[in-house]
Amino acid sequence: ELKVEQNPLFLSMQEGKNYTIYCNYSTTSDRLYWYRQDPGKSLESLFVLLSNGAVKQEGRLMASLDTKARLSTLHITAAVHDLSATYFCAVRNYGGSQGNLIFGKGTKLSVKP
Amino acid sequence: DVKVTQSSRYLVKRTGEKVFLECVQDMDHENMFWYRQDPGLGLRLIYFSYDVKMKEKGDIPEGYSVSREKKERFSLILESASTNQTSMYLCASNEAGLRDNEQFFGPGTRLTVL
Repeated sequence: ELKVEQNPLFLSMQEGKNYTIYCNYSTTSDRLYWYRQDPGKSLESLFVLLSNGAVKQEGRLMASLDTKARLSTLHITAAVHDLSATYFCAVRNYGGSQGNLIFGKGTKLSVKP
Repeated sequence: DVKVTQSSRYLVKRTGEKVFLECVQDMDHENMFWYRQDPGLGLRLIYFSYDVKMKEKGDIPEGYSVSREKKERFSLILESASTNQTSMYLCASNEAGLRDNEQFFGPGTRLTVL
């Protein structure tokens, strides 16, 4: 059974600091997704990582994937208040139905001035 | 842009009522999904459909059923609502066969069962 674990679950940062969110998964998968959710809103797609060593960057966020370690990271550079949100990683479940994703529990990020 | 819409943003129902949550997508996607989101538990898949009239159980199907009579519409049905079904319900869709398989989400329906 595929399990996806994120840590930390809660993260309070000061503006200008760097930090990394980790996403571990338990069985083989070649597709990993990062989503952002603002309070009371739906999920917005941030990154899709499709291969080992994939790295994608947008603004102050950079995501990477190591399929051998079954690990993805979401790195935040020089955090700003606008990045406050909950971030989810999700992994495609090979053993499940087509297109089925297994989500982590989310990391609630709070960036304080 | 892909658009996934849900019929209600907020819904309040009483225990035992039959509840319908509707989801519509406008991008001709084959796959559609229903998740529920609860604090500390993340998103959990209830049901999904990969074609009209086809459905498959997700991780937590108990107490729910679904209907997909048209490709663009996927309905979640609570036959007899209970208080433990109070939650945020999210619909999503994606295109089968694409390598990235990215799912696009609707705005969510916050359901309260009293």
